[in-house]
Amino acid sequence: QVQLQESGPGLVKPSQTLSLTCTVSGGSISSGGYYWSWIRQHPGKGLEWIGYIYYSGSTYYNPSLKSRVTISVDTSKNQFSLKLSSVTAADTAVYYCARTGTNDEPYDYWGQGTLVTVSS
Amino acid sequence: QSVLTQPPSVSGAPGQRVTISCTGSSSNIGAGYDVHWYQQLPGTAPKLLIYGNSNRPSGVPDRFSGSKSGTSASLAITGLQAEDEADYYCQSYDSSLSAFVVFGGGTKLTVL
Repeated sequence: QVQLQESGPGLVKPSQTLSLTCTVSGGSISSGGYYWSWIRQHPGKGLEWIGYIYYSGSTYYNPSLKSRVTISVDTSKNQFSLKLSSVTAADTAVYYCARTGTNDEPYDYWGQGTLVTVSS
Repeated sequence: QSVLTQPPSVSGAPGQRVTISCTGSSSNIGAGYDVHWYQQLPGTAPKLLIYGNSNRPSGVPDRFSGSKSGTSASLAITGLQAEDEADYYCQSYDSSLSAFVVFGGGTKLTVL
């Protein structure tokens, strides 16, 4: 059973960089066949896809966030990470990490989510 | 504004049938990409409910069904139960510049 767990600061100051890590257990990122994603949900709102990474390091980002987003992978630790720069209050959200297949497939495993608040 | 359009809310009495629509365009659902549906209970992560337009993962009751036609998809729930009260999201892929993975805005199902 694959499990994903987000970790990182719950409070970030405006203009700083939000950094989160997703630790994967029960499956290896380096085995391939899956994209590892970050998805966020603003309070009381819908889901917004941030981007994803393949074990090789290939990435694809939401164009609306692309200038501020970096997703990286550490296969030795079976983790992938999100960095979102120059944050504002509008980036306050629950951030989820999730797994999807490589061919038009659904998100079958999700982390529990972590709330990140941007405030001074 | 979400790329995929869902009604903000639907409701039904226990035992009834409800449907939730998900309307896209020629660059996503209409381009042939599959539609997937998720159920999100309060305070929890989304859970995969329907994949590949109409397939149920193991453990999902057959009261839940999905369909797709043209640029739209639908989720149907029959025999409504109190525990079905949740938010429901559709998801697909998009070949335009909007984003690659796209979600609907979500529909709040209230069981009366």
